[in-house]
Amino acid sequence: DQQVKQNSPSLSVQEGRISILNCDYTNSMFDYFLWYKKYPAEGPTFLISISSIKDKNEDGRFTVFLNKSAKHLSLHIVPSQPGDSAVYFCAGANNAGNMLTFGGGTRLMVKP
Amino acid sequence: DVKVTQSSRYLVKRTGEKVFLECVQDMDHENMFWYRQDPGLGLRLIYFSYDVKMKEKGDIPEGYSVSREKKERFSLILESASTNQTSMYLCASSFQTGGMGGYTFGSGTRLTVV
Repeated sequence: DQQVKQNSPSLSVQEGRISILNCDYTNSMFDYFLWYKKYPAEGPTFLISISSIKDKNEDGRFTVFLNKSAKHLSLHIVPSQPGDSAVYFCAGANNAGNMLTFGGGTRLMVKP
Repeated sequence: DVKVTQSSRYLVKRTGEKVFLECVQDMDHENMFWYRQDPGLGLRLIYFSYDVKMKEKGDIPEGYSVSREKKERFSLILESASTNQTSMYLCASSFQTGGMGGYTFGSGTRLTVV
């Protein structure tokens, strides 16, 4: 049973436009959510997180939105840059924050 | 700069070999994890450890074992490598209380079993 799902395996966006990556979850006990970015042949790196008591968190070009009633979160990247091309994983965290459950990932390609 | 270091970036092993993947972290983290990443399947947890000599099975432990003799080191062992264990293996660590920053990952080991 996949507790975290990223239903779009890939996304292609033009440079300068908005990228929207989506994530759905089933576990109501997740205390917060995180997004990781992964380049080929490298480990994932932490990008941005959001507490379950908030509905938005922003960090520069990256904004994460959380809709708890729909059990849905999304990552917005504005404006998209070619260097943003990577695989993005969303993850739900338990209340201790020491156990993450990852989605399957979405490969973002930003075209110049 | 804090780091999680995986001993090998690329490995090629033969079917039936015993394979050791090593991971070392310098952040004094209590928790350490082993994942494998496969296309379309995301990151799947193999084993994790929350203390020295402690280990817990993740979602896909079959065919693997782990060892944690020191706090900073967590080893993944493929007892008898098979071709379906060809994958990218990622080690991660975190503090016991986690935190909004989640895990710190190593750079990964690309293992090919032939």
